[in-house]
Amino acid sequence: DAMVIQNPRYQVTQFGKPVTLSCSQTLNHNVMYWYQQKSSQAPKLLFHYYDKDFNNEADTPDNFQSRRPNTSFCFLDIRSPGLGDAAMYLCATSRGGTYTDTQYFGPGTRLTVL
Amino acid sequence: DAKTTQPNSMESNEEEPVHLPCNHSTISGTDYIHWYRQLPSQGPEYVIHGLTSNVNNRMASLAIAEDRKSSTLILHRATLRDAAVYYCIRQGAQKLVFGQGTRLTINP
Repeated sequence: DAMVIQNPRYQVTQFGKPVTLSCSQTLNHNVMYWYQQKSSQAPKLLFHYYDKDFNNEADTPDNFQSRRPNTSFCFLDIRSPGLGDAAMYLCATSRGGTYTDTQYFGPGTRLTVL
Repeated sequence: DAKTTQPNSMESNEEEPVHLPCNHSTISGTDYIHWYRQLPSQGPEYVIHGLTSNVNNRMASLAIAEDRKSSTLILHRATLRDAAVYYCIRQGAQKLVFGQGTRLTINP
């Protein structure tokens, strides 16, 4: 089945130690998104790629970066994780750019910062 | 970003209909109303969307007020598997702006 895959499902890192989360998709969608979801809160969009065009949300900290080397893969890099960055990180994809687009979410990576 | 307003929680019984309300009084004319739900320990999943007319699919129905300032997601016969957080979302262009969602509890 076509899907959005996130690895790993659980990631533990130390305060200040860089960490990379990965997302892959078999849907061949143009758009890939990264969301942060803290406990008991709604998902919050960090940034998205439309093809190779990167779109950052205005309030996303500089500590968060992203890379999309090809259509299928997208990475979330946290350069110096703080305790406040502990959250579920969700990757999503969509075909591209219309108001009727459906987003397909992966299962998420739960990040713990020690 | 203008957000949507939903009740924090609702409760219903199995095999009964559920009506989940959403207010979006500042929605623009081109924004679609989308509903997603998030089951425990999973990513959100699409439920339904609409612009002006009522919509039906295999999962649910969406009733949109004539002035578009509110909508209601209808689950016709709730099952235990429908227990989730339901998000009503105003979709503009490529972005979903999530509100706080409604936590739906289904009683056996």
